[in-house]
Order: sequence, then structure tokens, then C-alpha cells
Amino acid sequence: DIVMTQSPDSLAVSLGERATINCKSGQSVFDSSNNKNYLAWYQQRPGQPPKLLIFWASTRESGVPDRFSGSGSGTDFTLTISSLQAEDVAVYYCQQYDTSPGTFGQGTKVEIK
Amino acid sequence: EVHLVESGGAVVQPGGSLRLSCAAFEFTFEDFTMHWVRQVPGKGLEWVSLITWDATTTDYADAVKGRFTISRDNTKNSLYLQMNSLTTEDTAFYYCVKMTPPWSKRGPFDYWGPGTLVTVSS
Repeated sequence: DIVMTQSPDSLAVSLGERATINCKSGQSVFDSSNNKNYLAWYQQRPGQPPKLLIFWASTRESGVPDRFSGSGSGTDFTLTISSLQAEDVAVYYCQQYDTSPGTFGQGTKVEIK
Repeated sequence: EVHLVESGGAVVQPGGSLRLSCAAFEFTFEDFTMHWVRQVPGKGLEWVSLITWDATTTDYADAVKGRFTISRDNTKNSLYLQMNSLTTEDTAFYYCVKMTPPWSKRGPFDYWGPGTLVTVSS
């Protein structure tokens, strides 16, 4: 199984400031046949199921605010929240879906400072 | 609006069995690979099982292989998870999850049900 490692485990950011979460995969999740990175980001607010934010490493799901952006390729990826809002308090997970099983990172908890 | 609704979660004794169901609404269920993902309260996400749109392929996490069976009924827009020989380690919320795009075995999880709680305890 591909191991996904996120950093940090938690971070506290002031409202309006930038939050950055990193995700590293144990092997490349880039498919050269279609030039895609098989990497997604999910947001899980307290008491709710996860919600898809980003797929193909950098494509925002419909309806996701543009303050959320994804970047990276191969084994190293980043989720950035450009200006943190109160409703962004959540746990964020990365997931590779290149190889079954689609493994998740351990999660990063984002709080307001 | 696409939505998924799980049912069947309960308190069960170690060694017992349980069958989870998931009803799917507002999408062409028969075209999509479906998954079960679980989450121990307060912990991370763990993929459990998948079944392709035509049920020709299934896969399981090592932790549940040989004890859990995934199935689907495309005529009823329903997904199932039969869980046998349950242990306390299986205690978790179980989410029914839709994968995209259609007719694919690799893709992001675009819709999640609210989850159903399975508690294994004596």
C-alpha cells in the first residue's frame, strides 16, 4: 500500500491568513500516460462526513471557494487556504487514488489562532 | 442532488455479524464504482472495500479480508457490506462513498453518506 504522510498534524492560523498543508506519498502517483497526478484533498468539518475539495492534485471540485488551491506533482503535494475563514476549521486529508487501496494521509487539523 | 444514506449500524457483540446498506439517489448508480470507508470516532479515514459498477471486481483492506463481503443491487440502487466475525477493532463510523468518473476503477471520492455507527462491544 502507498503510505501518505501529511505535515503538520495540526496548525493554528489567524483569520485571513494563509494555511499550508503538505502531503507526501511513498511512491509517485503521477501517471505519465495521461499527465495526471492521482491525488485528492478532502475537508471534514466536525460531525460531518468528508467532502471532496481538490482532485487531480489541483482541480477544484465544483462549488469549492477559490481560496482553496492544490499544487505539487509526483510525491509531494500542497493544499493552500489563501485566506482562512471561520468555516474552514476542519481536518484535511490527502488521498492517493492511483493504486488500490486508495490510501489517506493521517489528517491535518486546522484551527483559528 | 446526489445523496447516499447508510443504514444498519448497531451495537453488536464480538464475533457477531452485521449487514450495512446504502441507498443511492439522484445519479445513475449502475455506472459507478462504490466504496466503503470507515473512521474510528476522532481518528483518521480507513478505506475498507470497493465494488466496480458491474460488480465484476471487488477489493478489500487486509484488515477485513475474509470477514467482510461487499455487494450491490443495481436494480435497487443499493450497496451492501456484510460484516462477519466482528471484533472491537471494527468499531467505527462506516461511510458509503461514490467514486468518479463512471466506469472507472481509479478516481476521487466525490460523494459521501453521513455514515452509520458500528459498535462492537460485549
